[in-house]
Amino acid sequence: SYELTQPPSVSVSPGQTARITCSGDALPKKYAYWYQQKSGQAPVLVIYEDSKRPSGIPERFSGSSSGTMATLTISGAQVEDEADYYCYSTDSSGNHGVFGGGTKLTVL
Amino acid sequence: QVQLVESGGGLVKPGGSLRLSCAASGFTFSDYYMSWIRQAPGKGLEWVSYISSSGSTIYYADSVKGRFTISRDNAKNSLYLQMNSLRAEDTAVYYCARAQRYGANWYFDLWGRGTLVTVSS
Repeated sequence: SYELTQPPSVSVSPGQTARITCSGDALPKKYAYWYQQKSGQAPVLVIYEDSKRPSGIPERFSGSSSGTMATLTISGAQVEDEADYYCYSTDSSGNHGVFGGGTKLTVL
Repeated sequence: QVQLVESGGGLVKPGGSLRLSCAASGFTFSDYYMSWIRQAPGKGLEWVSYISSSGSTIYYADSVKGRFTISRDNAKNSLYLQMNSLRAEDTAVYYCARAQRYGANWYFDLWGRGTLVTVSS
């Protein structure tokens, strides 16, 4: 079955740039999406179609994708950005949704 | 107010059944694809199932295929998940989510708060 691979954790100091990667064989042909989940809350979409930002999401959140890797970048990370981040995509058939294992972002 | 509200979770014995519901409001439910996504305690997100706006196209994760059935009632603005032959590993918070489709890509732009299903004897 198709898999998306993320690092388990990323740690930065406030104001630094955090980068979270997501690798998957189908990403050259499929969009990547990114979700933020804070403790005890439902996930929130922060990036869609590789690099687009939904309304209400701060400009410090950006996304990119090249080859088999997608990247979520948080420029000038803030303490309130501490959360679990999940990449998401569909497999090559388009019949299955797949989440990455999640990355715990620590900002301190 | 645009929202999704899940209900129907609870404690069930292994081998038992449970039916989850999701009530949609604030948007035209019949225009959207919908999905169920789950999260085991302390674990990551797992996509479970997807249904098209008319109900004519349905997908399942391999882990639930043959045991779970997704359905919808557009007249009632409601999504359902019938779960049979439940196992301990089905224990999770189950989220209802609105899906957006772009070509062969689909993703989730609105989530409910989730309902907890616990499978234990």
